[in-house]
Amino acid sequence: AQRVTQPEKLLSVFKGAPVELKCNYSYSGSPELFWYVQYSRQRLQLLLRHISRESIKGFTADLNKGETSFHLKKPFAQEEDSAMYYCALSRRETSGSRLTFGEGTQLTVNP
Amino acid sequence: DGGITQSPKYLFRKEGQNVTLSCEQNLNHDAMYWYRQDPGQGLRLIYYSQIVNDFQKGDIAEGYSVSREKKESFPLTVTSAQKNPTAFYLCASRPRARPEQFFGPGTRLTVL
Repeated sequence: AQRVTQPEKLLSVFKGAPVELKCNYSYSGSPELFWYVQYSRQRLQLLLRHISRESIKGFTADLNKGETSFHLKKPFAQEEDSAMYYCALSRRETSGSRLTFGEGTQLTVNP
Repeated sequence: DGGITQSPKYLFRKEGQNVTLSCEQNLNHDAMYWYRQDPGQGLRLIYYSQIVNDFQKGDIAEGYSVSREKKESFPLTVTSAQKNPTAFYLCASRPRARPEQFFGPGTRLTVL
């Protein structure tokens, strides 16, 4: 069965410190993975997609198929990075495409 | 993302009543989705629809119903059969041939 696991519900770092939000997945097919972010009082928005290999707001995420992981990293955290982060896996079924989300990690960046 | 709207922002209902949450999009997206978001549980899929007049149950469809009569609209009804309806409900849409979804601002439903 498809599953996304984010082992840390809460993560707290100081401004300027590196941050890594962990995401592990299980999926028998070829995965498409995403990171979504939800800032306080804002809607959930797409942050990164693994296929784009892009860096957004200083964040990067590399798909490691051997370890079935898609960890989100930033070398120097900023206070404005404080938010809820969700890892998501896209799977295609005969009934269409759907996302499976992890439980989320609440990141707090302290001054 | 501004093309996906949900109303109302806050909704209160008494136990035993059905209530309908609105979701509209003007992005010309084919697929639409409903999730509920509970603390510590992430987003769980309730229903989804790939095309007009067709929809599929998600992982937690019991106590909910939907319709998709127009491409732009995907209303969700929370029925009295839903045992724990108090939650934050998110609607999303997805463009054709792309896997990523785009979300509305959400509706917070409280059952009194």
